[in-house]
Amino acid sequence: IAGITQAPTSQILAAGRRMTLRCTQDMRHNAMYWYRQDLGLGLRLIHYSNTAGTTGKGEVPDGYSVSRANTDDFPLTLASAVPSQTSVYFCASSSTSGSWTTGELFFGEGSRLTVL
Amino acid sequence: GQNIDQPTEMTATEGAIVQINCTYQTSGFNGLFWYQQHAGEAPTFLSYNVLDGLEEKGRFSSFLSRSKGYSYLLLKELQMKDSASYLCAVMDSNYQLIWGAGTKLIIKP
Repeated sequence: IAGITQAPTSQILAAGRRMTLRCTQDMRHNAMYWYRQDLGLGLRLIHYSNTAGTTGKGEVPDGYSVSRANTDDFPLTLASAVPSQTSVYFCASSSTSGSWTTGELFFGEGSRLTVL
Repeated sequence: GQNIDQPTEMTATEGAIVQINCTYQTSGFNGLFWYQQHAGEAPTFLSYNVLDGLEEKGRFSSFLSRSKGYSYLLLKELQMKDSASYLCAVMDSNYQLIWGAGTKLIIKP
């Protein structure tokens, strides 16, 4: 593994189903993020984690949950998928020191999710 | 509210120079970032400005004016591989990144 790995890369899902997007990084970054990217809109933050054991809500957290049991993994779960959650999801990480983050994000290759 | 504005699309010619503008209104400012995103790929970091002025990195330069809430990305000697979307992002007072919708740059031969 080099950098950030996301899985699956693409998924078609029936509405109402539960889905977990996986994200693993090997850079020992403290901070990790989940974004969704939709056409015509900027990247929108769903959830973030500044360090293992802590998580926070971003701009669009409803319908999503995350956990951060260790430094490397940051899975995103859709408890009951709806068509409006059709999007490209990017996991990212950054180096931090206290409350400061360098701001340079390293992104995974994305997970394209279609909810029918 | 917080807002990042950049043009939706721009077209330029191979070998030429193009300037992509970004204006912002955010609660606090802890730096401005430019990322490049090729179609179907992840964004990758290009530049970071926290003080006013020009930062140069090879063919790419980024400028910041904090008093005007304005930045631009300047790309010189354009190559076909520069065809991509360019994302402007500002780090606010909570150290969260606020993203613009991106500017799709089309390079023509």
